[in-house]
Amino acid sequence: QKEVEQNSGPLSVPEGAIASLNCTYSDRGSQSFFWYRQYSGKSPELIMFIYSNGDKEDGRFTAQLNKASQYVSLLIRDSQPSDSATYLCAVINSGGSNYKLTFGKGTLLTVNP
Amino acid sequence: DAGITQSPRHKVTETGTPVTLRCHQTENHRYMYWYRQDPGHGLRLIHYSYGVKDTDKGEVSDGYSVSRSKTEDFLLTLESATSSQTSVYFCAISDKVQENSYEQYFGPGTRLTVT
Repeated sequence: QKEVEQNSGPLSVPEGAIASLNCTYSDRGSQSFFWYRQYSGKSPELIMFIYSNGDKEDGRFTAQLNKASQYVSLLIRDSQPSDSATYLCAVINSGGSNYKLTFGKGTLLTVNP
Repeated sequence: DAGITQSPRHKVTETGTPVTLRCHQTENHRYMYWYRQDPGHGLRLIHYSYGVKDTDKGEVSDGYSVSRSKTEDFLLTLESATSSQTSVYFCAISDKVQENSYEQYFGPGTRLTVT
């Protein structure tokens, strides 16, 4: 069973701080990694994807990938109350069917004003 | 949610009743998926489709069937609904954007309650 693990949280940060969300995965051959944001009662929304080791920045969001450690993270700079949501990590596993995602259970982030 | 609709958005049904959920896309994406989301379990893949009339099982397919007769429509059927199938159901679509990239986009969801 190829797994994706996230701390369930809740992770609570003050407004303006950096929020750090972490994800580990078991399939060493995984190539593609995604972060989704899900507000309560809404559907998941794709916010970042990363395929190469290192950092990828998009506005206040930075995704970091370390394939050797099988670790992917999402940093949210200058956190806002509107960032309060559950963040889902998802991975495309190796071994064919590279159009299927395995999701972690998500980390609940709360940004306090 | 642009380009993906699900119907109905909410449904209450009784145990033993057949139920069909519909996903409709206007993006002409090849791949379509049905997930269920439950507290403590996250998103779990029920069935997926990789083309018209081409479908396969996901990790929680028991009690569910699917059909895809057109690119734009993917139907999920609960043959005989049980209380354990009370959940939020999401449809998703994807297509190959670049090598290694099959970004999935989700519909608005259907909240199903089986009494």
